[in-house]
Amino acid sequence: DVKVTQSSRYLVKRTGEKVFLECVQDMDHENMFWYRQDPGLGLRLIYFSYDVKMKEKGDIPEGYSVSREKKERFSLILESASTNQTSMYLCARLPREAFFGQGTRLTVV
Amino acid sequence: AQKITQTQPGMFVQEKEAVTLDCTYDTSDQSYGLFWYKQPSSGEMIFLIYQGSYDEQNATEGRYSLNFQKARKSANLVISASQLGDSAMYFCAMRDSLLAGTALIFGKGTTLSVSS
Repeated sequence: DVKVTQSSRYLVKRTGEKVFLECVQDMDHENMFWYRQDPGLGLRLIYFSYDVKMKEKGDIPEGYSVSREKKERFSLILESASTNQTSMYLCARLPREAFFGQGTRLTVV
Repeated sequence: AQKITQTQPGMFVQEKEAVTLDCTYDTSDQSYGLFWYKQPSSGEMIFLIYQGSYDEQNATEGRYSLNFQKARKSANLVISASQLGDSAMYFCAMRDSLLAGTALIFGKGTTLSVSS
């Protein structure tokens, strides 16, 4: 089975903290994605990457950055966490259909 | 720009009945892929079915089929013989071509409730 692993299932952080969400895939696929999911809004694309050190902005990149130093790892960074970034964050990798991690429910207080 | 529209926030169906979840899309590309995902209350995203824009036959996977009407730009999911375990959120998604560097975008989802 394909595995996409997100480092934390639940996370609570304080406003202003720098937050790292890690995602690791066990295949050698180029494309990796970060989404956030909010009720009534579906999944919105934050950033994606199609190769090491390559990144593309999605629909809502403000307040986020990403890092892809190795093909298997794609990190989402909240430079200064704010309460409006409280959400479910989903990482995915895809050659064709997306395989998702289990999600990280981040609460910023 | 790509866009996915799911107009049904919630659907209710009884066990063993068939149900259709609507999805329309907008793209200017000729080559694209359409996907459906299921998200149960546990939160995991489960891939259900894929349809390529050049596929002549409607995709089927077990009890799931995709009613693809290219001219109408619709890609409805049909679930035959609903089961209680089908209760979940369902997302339609699209990707322009399947090349590296293209994004997968999602609709807002439809919540399906199956009752006995």
